[in-house]
Amino acid sequence: AQSVSQHNHHVILSEAASLELGCNYSYGGTVNLFWYVQYPGQHLQLLLKYFSGDPLVKGIKGFEAEFIKSKFSFNLRKPSVQWSDTAEYFCAVNPYNQGGKLIFGQGTELSVKP
Amino acid sequence: ETGVTQTPRHLVMGMTNKKSLKCEQHLGHNAMYWYKQSAKKPLELMFVYSLEERVENNSVPSRFSPECPNSSHLFLHLHTLQPEDSALYLCASSQEGGRGRGELFFGEGSRLTVL
Repeated sequence: AQSVSQHNHHVILSEAASLELGCNYSYGGTVNLFWYVQYPGQHLQLLLKYFSGDPLVKGIKGFEAEFIKSKFSFNLRKPSVQWSDTAEYFCAVNPYNQGGKLIFGQGTELSVKP
Repeated sequence: ETGVTQTPRHLVMGMTNKKSLKCEQHLGHNAMYWYKQSAKKPLELMFVYSLEERVENNSVPSRFSPECPNSSHLFLHLHTLQPEDSALYLCASSQEGGRGRGELFFGEGSRLTVL
């Protein structure tokens, strides 16, 4: 079965630290890739997306992600986190243009200490 | 303001009750979805409605019944639920329909507690 794996369940960082959250998926075909973020008490919102082209994509709030096809990975990065980045982060995969039938990872909770 | 509005935001119901969750999208999208978000688990797709298809996750119990009267409204009818159905139910929409690239816009969710 297709799946998405997020390696870190809970990450705790101090402000200004660098962030990398891992995401791997199990699907051999064409995929569209997403990172969603859920701030405390708020709705899930799109952080960034990859459809095709440059494998390094930039999203909102200084986040970026790199698609490495050979590793089936789409890791999320930010060079310097802020307290306001405290949230839960979800990686999601859309195999072969399957519309909104996304496969989500179980999420990574990020806590940033001021 | 997300463009996708869910009501109620919180619902407590007994196992013998019948209730409904409502979702309305104001984005002009043509596909709508129900996802279930349980603690420490990946979001689980329950139902998809689009111009092309209605898709059901075969693992969703029949005590959950979706209704999509038009492209802007989506309901989830609940009856004889179990305590393990307690979760956050998320509605989402997309503008590319059931065969698009999957960019979803989510509502804030309906927190369901089954006693």
